[in-house]
Amino acid sequence: QPVLTQPPSVSASLGASVTLTCTLSSGYSDYKVDWYQQRPGKGPRFVMRVGIGGIVGSKGDGIPDRFSVLGSGLNRYLTIKNIQEEDESDYHCAADHGSGNNFVVLFGGGTKLTVL
Amino acid sequence: QVQLQESGPGLVKPSQALSLSCSVSGGSIIDGGYYWTWIRQLPGKGLEWIGSIYSNGGTYYSPLLRSRVTISLHTSKNQFSLNLNSMTAADTATYYCARLIARAALYYFDYWGQGTLVTVSS
Repeated sequence: QPVLTQPPSVSASLGASVTLTCTLSSGYSDYKVDWYQQRPGKGPRFVMRVGIGGIVGSKGDGIPDRFSVLGSGLNRYLTIKNIQEEDESDYHCAADHGSGNNFVVLFGGGTKLTVL
Repeated sequence: QVQLQESGPGLVKPSQALSLSCSVSGGSIIDGGYYWTWIRQLPGKGLEWIGSIYSNGGTYYSPLLRSRVTISLHTSKNQFSLNLNSMTAADTATYYCARLIARAALYYFDYWGQGTLVTVSS
């Protein structure tokens, strides 16, 4: 099953752009990944799903156009443009693997985005 | 609008079992295409999938927790539950219930509860 790796933290200035990375382990370059935003003290909310070809399906409810995704090789990226204070959150990536009795969901360790 | 709400004890003694319920409103747990799921977050850590149950009662558990976990549907109450045996301090976490939508190429958690903190301590 794949391992998802995220840097623990990243910071960006208000109004700037930032790209968050979720890296799949070797051999899983065809996997899709879901991004979730978790604001301080809140439960996560779905941002969007990304595969090697880009977004899969639609963005989550209320996700602004400033959020976009890209897939390349083993990496799945979430880019936030014109960063706002409300974007300061933990961002988690997740992937589903297997089927039937072998179905599992795996999460990365999460990245804390600090807005300077 | 689907809403999920966790309920259960905030404090569990070591070696005891944890029982949590998730009440679902705005949708039925027997509707097809959804997996009703428990996820936890250890303090200061990332998210961990515990397991899911489909509307037909089929269950799927994390290999790391499978020996201690049971997830059940309670259709008359439109609830599903988590039972986690032999609790230790390492199980102290915020526990979330969530709905996993499964449609063609789309598998993602579209609705989440607010989470409930469970502390394991004597």
